[in-house]
Amino acid sequence: EVQLVETGGGLIQPGGSLRLSCAASGFTVSSNYMSWVRQAPGKGLEWVSVIYSGGSTYYADSVKGRFTISRDNSKNTLYLQMNSLRAEDTAVYYCARDWGVGATPWFDPWGQGTLVTVSS
Amino acid sequence: SYELTQPPSVSVSPGQTARITCSGDALPKQYAYWYQQKPGQAPVLVIYKDSERPSGIPERFSGSSSGTTVTLTISGVQAEDEADYYCQSADSSGTRVFGGGTKLTVL
Repeated sequence: EVQLVETGGGLIQPGGSLRLSCAASGFTVSSNYMSWVRQAPGKGLEWVSVIYSGGSTYYADSVKGRFTISRDNSKNTLYLQMNSLRAEDTAVYYCARDWGVGATPWFDPWGQGTLVTVSS
Repeated sequence: SYELTQPPSVSVSPGQTARITCSGDALPKQYAYWYQQKPGQAPVLVIYKDSERPSGIPERFSGSSSGTTVTLTISGVQAEDEADYYCQSADSSGTRVFGGGTKLTVL
């Protein structure tokens, strides 16, 4: 069964750093595109970042220069390193398998999400 | 930046047909996808590549495309279909984009 499990969320002060993890099972992270998508409380979905199977990475303008997506092939795990956090980064962060190869990308499946709260 | 536009809300009675639209300039050249999200849950893909239905999604869910607008249609709406629905596509550079979401209320 394909499954994604996010961990690492929590309460962090503005300006702080946090690393989210997304453990995958049932498929190989390094052979796929993987994305992070977030959802602020009561708001819609916002794509954050993608890492391609070849290692290329891309970011939404709202997080560029502050967030870094990466993966550990030995652990079959995706990461999102978040630095210089702001109140507006408060959201549930989802990881998702990104079907972007050769077509308009889409996301399936999704993890259950992990909540990041940026507040003093 | 590229935008996908959805109505904020749609209301229907049980058994009726719900139609949720999504408009975007790049939709004639890019596929659209639809996700269902119930409170406290992760999104679930219900339509891919404009009109394809993933396995396990009820037949009452269908999708269509015409020009710059795509439509999610739910025929014979049931109480369990009450949820937020998001369309998603990409711009010409591949940047992933979501619509603002539509809250479907089953009266």
